[in-house]
Amino acid sequence: DSGVTQTPKHLITATGQRVTLRCSPRSGDLSVYWYQQSLDQGLQFLIQYYNGEERAKGNILERFSAQQFPDLHSELNLSSLELGDSALYFCASSPSGRFPFNEQFFGPGTRLTVL
Amino acid sequence: KNEVEQSPQNLTAQEGEFITINCSYSVGISALHWLQQHPGGGIVSLFMLSSGKKKHGRLIATINIQEKHSSLHITASHPRDSAVYICALIYGKLTFGQGTILTVHP
Repeated sequence: DSGVTQTPKHLITATGQRVTLRCSPRSGDLSVYWYQQSLDQGLQFLIQYYNGEERAKGNILERFSAQQFPDLHSELNLSSLELGDSALYFCASSPSGRFPFNEQFFGPGTRLTVL
Repeated sequence: KNEVEQSPQNLTAQEGEFITINCSYSVGISALHWLQQHPGGGIVSLFMLSSGKKKHGRLIATINIQEKHSSLHITASHPRDSAVYICALIYGKLTFGQGTILTVHP
């Protein structure tokens, strides 16, 4: 158990809908990272937040957004969902914000299925 | 052309065998990360290295920055080592390989 929690574990929704994925980092970790893992694209870095502020941006679509709250939990919002958004979404956390030069602790992931 | 290539894509071994997974890349990097993804989906960070070699238990990772190549070795493999092993390039951003699926039979 990495200490990173993600909810929900599974999510099934329809095209065009909007969903929110939630992540609670390890106690004391200030950075939160979001990743997408799909069959065709593999693992991709989406975005990093450090202590409430966006720190690094990867291949995140404009339909996706994230935020980190004062209690350091983070949410990833996915809107206007398409079939291709079906994937595993991982959250990771680390004590520092030195992306990508730090060890990250991964949550169990949220499996999103868009029908 | 992909910036990072892992080989082999699939690897089957018998318990006790010595295993090598390779990661070759075409860009200049600062460091490289090896990750392990268990069959249930969970991801664990194994090593981050920028030169030389690192060892943790039965796992050894090496990197040659000049040759743009890294290897992950598993000595005395065990069925619990069955997982997907992913290398990730660190060069101001993070780019992942497609992974090597390792199956170790008892």
